[in-house]
Amino acid sequence: DVKVTQSSRYLVKRTGEKVFLECVQDMDHENMFWYRQDPGLGLRLIYFSYDVKMKEKGDIPEGYSVSREKKERFSLILESASTNQTSMYLCAGGISSDNSPLHFGNGTRLTVT
Amino acid sequence: AQSVTQLDSQVPVFEEAPVELRCNYSSSVSVYLFWYVQYPNQGLQLLLKYLSGSTLVKGINGFEAEFNKSQTSFHLRKPSVHISDTAEYFCAVRSGGYNKLIFGAGTRLAVHP
Repeated sequence: DVKVTQSSRYLVKRTGEKVFLECVQDMDHENMFWYRQDPGLGLRLIYFSYDVKMKEKGDIPEGYSVSREKKERFSLILESASTNQTSMYLCAGGISSDNSPLHFGNGTRLTVT
Repeated sequence: AQSVTQLDSQVPVFEEAPVELRCNYSSSVSVYLFWYVQYPNQGLQLLLKYLSGSTLVKGINGFEAEFNKSQTSFHLRKPSVHISDTAEYFCAVRSGGYNKLIFGAGTRLAVHP
């Protein structure tokens, strides 16, 4: 069964801290995505990666960066966390075929105080 | 740019009643449309998808959706809901390559006994 694992279910960080959110997929999928989910706004794409070391900005990349050193792992980095980055973060993996759905992790709820 | 509008943020309904969750999209090119469901404290999972062919698409858990090109809609329906259908539902459109998805704001379905 396909699996996308996010390392933390809940995180609490202080303003200004550097924060790493980790995501691992076991599907050998070339594409991986980071979304943030906020009430009333749905899911918004932060960054995605289509291959190792390759990345593209999504719709709301400001304040974030990403790293993909291995195919199975995609990290989201908050260089200096701010309170407006308090949110649910969802990682997903997929392939480029039109018939393929995205597979999502269970999310990381980040609170920045 | 492509966008998705979910017309209802919340839909309350009694058990065994029919339900329709509305979704409209904007796109000037061929569209691939999806409905995902998110149960409490979980990630998103695919309910159904429209890529081409028959405009009536059947998915899991008894849900179906109808693609209407002239009205740019992709409404989700179920003839008789269960308590276990209580969840948040997201409509999404594929945007560009790499299977990148644009999501609507979500509709929270609350099924009451």
